[in-house]
Amino acid sequence: EADIYQTPRYLVIGTGKKITLECSQTMGHDKMYWYQQDPGMELHLIHYSYGVNSTEKGDLSSESTVSRIRTEHFPLTLESARPSHTSQYLCASTGGSYEQYFGPGTRLTVT
Amino acid sequence: AQSVAQPEDQVNVAEGNPLTVKCTYSVSGNPYLFWYVQYPNRGLQFLLKYITGDNLVKGSYGFEAEFNKSQTSFHLKKPSALVSDSALYFCAVGYRDDKIIFGKGTRLHILP
Repeated sequence: EADIYQTPRYLVIGTGKKITLECSQTMGHDKMYWYQQDPGMELHLIHYSYGVNSTEKGDLSSESTVSRIRTEHFPLTLESARPSHTSQYLCASTGGSYEQYFGPGTRLTVT
Repeated sequence: AQSVAQPEDQVNVAEGNPLTVKCTYSVSGNPYLFWYVQYPNRGLQFLLKYITGDNLVKGSYGFEAEFNKSQTSFHLKKPSALVSDSALYFCAVGYRDDKIIFGKGTRLHILP
């Protein structure tokens, strides 16, 4: 089991609220990723980071933002949540062995 | 452009029978190929990878996959299916800068 953590696991929040999804890994990996996945569907890369102070947008446009101030921490923020943001958000990291290790995910519902 | 295809949305197999979940890919250059499994309300769990070397790679829980360069395939196999193997399986291809493209997923149902 990979040491990558996401909190909260489930979040129900009203439209217009600001939210931050937390992701932390204890493996010392430089590269971290955020994916968006609708239930039972494919994953879409929305953000990635190759190290501290490095962040890039992924292949799927997203209204969220990320930061990477510490190697182990890669939070994702939505300034104003909307129902279209309802989805599952998965965080992953890799340490150079090519495969990515995933956290358990955060299931977000915006009402 | 890199891409990966899983032609079957769902595969049904009787417990104890061999299973195959299909995957084909398109890459420029040498492929990095992966299989992941996802159980309900969980993240993805790494099963196995092909980077280079032996075309038959073995992974977790008795799964294996065969890299076939001429057919651009990387099918996932297991000799004897268990009910607990029922889950969503993703094939993936790695490309530049350690990014990965995932297939749409195949839901595997193992029937008791």
